Amino acid sequence: NAGVTQTPKFQVLKTGQSMTLQCAQDMNHNSMYWYRQDPGMGLRLIYYSASEGTTDKGEVPNGYNVSRLNKREFSLRLESAAPSQTSVYFCASSESPGGIYEQYFGPGTRLTVT
Amino acid sequence: AQTVTQSQPEMSVQEAETVTLSCTYDTSENNYYLFWYKQPPSRQMILVIRQEAYKQQNATENRFSVNFQKAAKSFSLKISDSQLGDTAMYFCAFGFGNEKLTFGTGTRLTIIP
Repeated sequence: NAGVTQTPKFQVLKTGQSMTLQCAQDMNHNSMYWYRQDPGMGLRLIYYSASEGTTDKGEVPNGYNVSRLNKREFSLRLESAAPSQTSVYFCASSESPGGIYEQYFGPGTRLTVT
Repeated sequence: AQTVTQSQPEMSVQEAETVTLSCTYDTSENNYYLFWYKQPPSRQMILVIRQEAYKQQNATENRFSVNFQKAAKSFSLKISDSQLGDTAMYFCAFGFGNEKLTFGTGTRLTIIP
């Protein structure tokens, strides 16, 4: 089992460009999450999908969109990248929504917006 | 809303020593879960240990143990016989019901050879 995979691992964008971060899990989990990690800020939730077909905003959703393509895949799109979106992005999945279930994380994507 | 506070941004300890990382949280809930996640330089987040609030017994996983003080809303992580591979960022997290996890800002731990 690969667990949670993310592509790409690194990306550099110019301000205004768009891109999609891809995430897939092979654990048959219902719930998936996108976080961003900034120095001194911990992990902040951008969007999550409690189950296939549903998505909800997290703590910092502005400037992002998501798609739960199927049970395995959950993508994050930046329509017009801004320097403030320079960060490390993590995808995670869990068996079901809620705080009692362990979340399994992907390796992260380091995004730089110039 | 729940908050999680890790008051030690950085810590360092000699190899083989014991170190304790602090975490406090604020909630009005009674049944909840607490987690410690480790993020080594590879960036991969790994669950270290988990505690159910309804259990009085502190959780342990090999060299890792917690001191859970429910009344004080404190959840510290003790690493015994520290090893170089323990060098990482450690995040405390809180969760309950159908709510998402709330993470602290992390403690960067360095094990000195």
